[in-house]
Amino acid sequence: DAKTTQPTSMDCAEGRAANLPCNHSTISGNEYVYWYRQIHSQGPQYIIHGLKNNETNEMASLIITEDRKSSTLILPHATLRDTAVYYCIVRVLGGDYKLSFGAGTTVTVRA
Amino acid sequence: GAGVSQSPSNKVTEKGKDVELRCDPISGHTALYWYRQSLGQGLEFLIYFQGNSAPDKSGLPSDRFSAERTGGSVSTLTIQRTQQEDSAVYLCASSPRQGMTYEQYFGPGTRLTVT
Repeated sequence: DAKTTQPTSMDCAEGRAANLPCNHSTISGNEYVYWYRQIHSQGPQYIIHGLKNNETNEMASLIITEDRKSSTLILPHATLRDTAVYYCIVRVLGGDYKLSFGAGTTVTVRA
Repeated sequence: GAGVSQSPSNKVTEKGKDVELRCDPISGHTALYWYRQSLGQGLEFLIYFQGNSAPDKSGLPSDRFSAERTGGSVSTLTIQRTQQEDSAVYLCASSPRQGMTYEQYFGPGTRLTVT
């Protein structure tokens, strides 16, 4: 699986959009981009995934660049409950199901 | 809708005792996974179920650990003769395995403390 690079931490203001970048420059054509988060003392939570088209669900939007070497997770209206560690991973279609996360981005939403 | 549920949420047990941890996956999800996470550490894969079969038990740390799944739904992770190093949060996840996507939905976990 391709390696991903994320900033260590970021702050954002409550009510504003939070834009979380992820670099995956070695991504291959059959690898999907997945985002998960883990709120303190809770289990990981699936957010969204995509291949090459932009995706949106009730939680977030995922913007993938045309060359697929980077992506941005957008939380449109961040709340204090969005404070968590956010993980960007890439997975081959139908590939390894054993999830593991890197260091991720610690996002702190401030009132 | 209902998510993945796990019980108990917390379990304190004495060294040497057996414990059973339960997972109720999302209805209709055929794939089920057990992980554990020690304090401040990453996810450690334990076992994977597809239906009632466990094609991958490679992450079980020792023969004291076992798991079963019945009716393609509820799963139980059993730890026999618990040791202090078994203390961790045990997480269960399920996946719909629909189409080509493999997102995993996690339960809240069971925090196991072995004294």
